[in-house]
Amino acid sequence: EVVLTQSPANLSLSPGERATLSCRASQSVTSFLAWYQQRLGQAPRLLIYDASTRASGIPARFSGSGSGTDFTLTISSLEPEDFAVYYCQQRSKSITFGQGTRLEIK
Amino acid sequence: EVQLVQSGAEVKKPGESLTISCKGSGYRFSSSWIGWVRQMPGKGLEWMGFIYPGDSDTRYSPSFQGQVTISADKATNTAYLQWTSLQAPDTAMYYCAAGIAVDNFFDHWGQGTLVTVSS
Repeated sequence: EVVLTQSPANLSLSPGERATLSCRASQSVTSFLAWYQQRLGQAPRLLIYDASTRASGIPARFSGSGSGTDFTLTISSLEPEDFAVYYCQQRSKSITFGQGTRLEIK
Repeated sequence: EVQLVQSGAEVKKPGESLTISCKGSGYRFSSSWIGWVRQMPGKGLEWMGFIYPGDSDTRYSPSFQGQVTISADKATNTAYLQWTSLQAPDTAMYYCAAGIAVDNFFDHWGQGTLVTVSS
C-alpha cells in the first residue's frame, strides 16, 4: 500500500499569507496525485489532480507541483474561506489518502 | 448539473444489516467509476472501494474487502454500500464520490450519510 504522509499536521497562518502544504509518498506515484479541501461540515472538494492541474472552478491562487514522491500544494494568498482541512490522494497503486493538514486562522 | 444524492442518516444496533444509497444524475452513470469513502468522527478520509456501473467491475481497498459490498443499478443510476452485520466502529460519515471529468480522482461528491451504530 502506498502511504501518503502530509506535513505539517497543523498550520496557522493569517489571511493574505502564503500557505505551503506537503505530501510525501512511500513510493513513486509518478504524477497521479490529487488535493482536496474539506471545510467543516462539508464534503471534500477536488482542487488539483494529476499533481498540478486545477479542477473546474478552482481559483488560480491554488497550485500544485511535484512528481514521484514529493508534492506540494500552494495557496498564494489566503482567503478566509481557505481555512479548512486539506488531503492528498494517490491513484497510482490502488487509492489512498494522506492523513490531512488542518489550516487554521492565526 | 451533476448531482450525487445520498440516502438519509441511519441509527442501527450492533449486528444489524444496512444498505445506503447514492443516486447520480446529470451525467452518464454507467460510464464513470463511483466509489465510497469513510470518515470516522474527527478523522481523515479512507477509500473503501468503487464500482464501474457499466460492467459492475468492483475494486475494494484491502482494509474493507470482505467487510462491505458495493453494488450499482444502472436502471436507476444508483450505487449502494451494504453491511451484513454492523459494529460500533462502523459509526462514521460515508461519502459517495465519482470521477466524471477526471479518471480515478473524485470530482463530484455526495452530501454524506451518517451511520451511527449503538446499542
